[in-house]
Amino acid sequence: ETGVTQTPRHLVMGMTNKKSLKCEQHLGHNAMYWYKQSAKKPLELMFVYNFKEQTENNSVPSRFSPECPNSSHLFLHLHTLQPEDSALYLCASSQDRGKLNGYTFGSGTRLTVV
Amino acid sequence: GEDVEQSLFLSVREGDSSVINCTYTDSSSTYLYWYKQEPGAGLQLLTYIFSNMDMKQDQRLTVLLNKKDKHLSLRIADTQTGDSAIYFCAESTSFQKLVFGTGTRLLVSP
Repeated sequence: ETGVTQTPRHLVMGMTNKKSLKCEQHLGHNAMYWYKQSAKKPLELMFVYNFKEQTENNSVPSRFSPECPNSSHLFLHLHTLQPEDSALYLCASSQDRGKLNGYTFGSGTRLTVV
Repeated sequence: GEDVEQSLFLSVREGDSSVINCTYTDSSSTYLYWYKQEPGAGLQLLTYIFSNMDMKQDQRLTVLLNKKDKHLSLRIADTQTGDSAIYFCAESTSFQKLVFGTGTRLLVSP
């Protein structure tokens, strides 16, 4: 375990379903991130939260809705997804934007949209 | 814009040295990182180098930085089958975020 815990590890959902991904860290970090990792594509930064405030949204479709109730928890709410949204979703956290120690990643949630 | 490029694939034999290369574009990057991703797992920070350094060694890992050419490399000595993974380089940009490369898949054969 890296200190960043993601649940569930695997998720299969239909296109009409609503589900949520959860990320939790108790490293005392103040920034949290959602990344999407698809096959043969670079890591795509989706959202950035710093001290619970969203500081970046990289043109992510509205069917992905992040929530950060406190500095330790981050959610990604999913609804009416498309098959091309199937990917590994990675959560990461960092202290002070991660300049010195980089980001600490969770193990990811493998999402399959059917 | 920010861009970090890596070759996609590298294959070596066990016991050989592996060299994974990376080029980046942001000349103001202060830190550069190497991450390792094993199958079914997230990214794990392996090592990082500060931009005013040319080289950093950590056991079997050697990082070389050519700031003039914006080129970063990771050398793994005595590569083992357990080193098989995807390796990502990343730069810390002037916008204070990490930008990751496409990843290099290292395959180590016995």
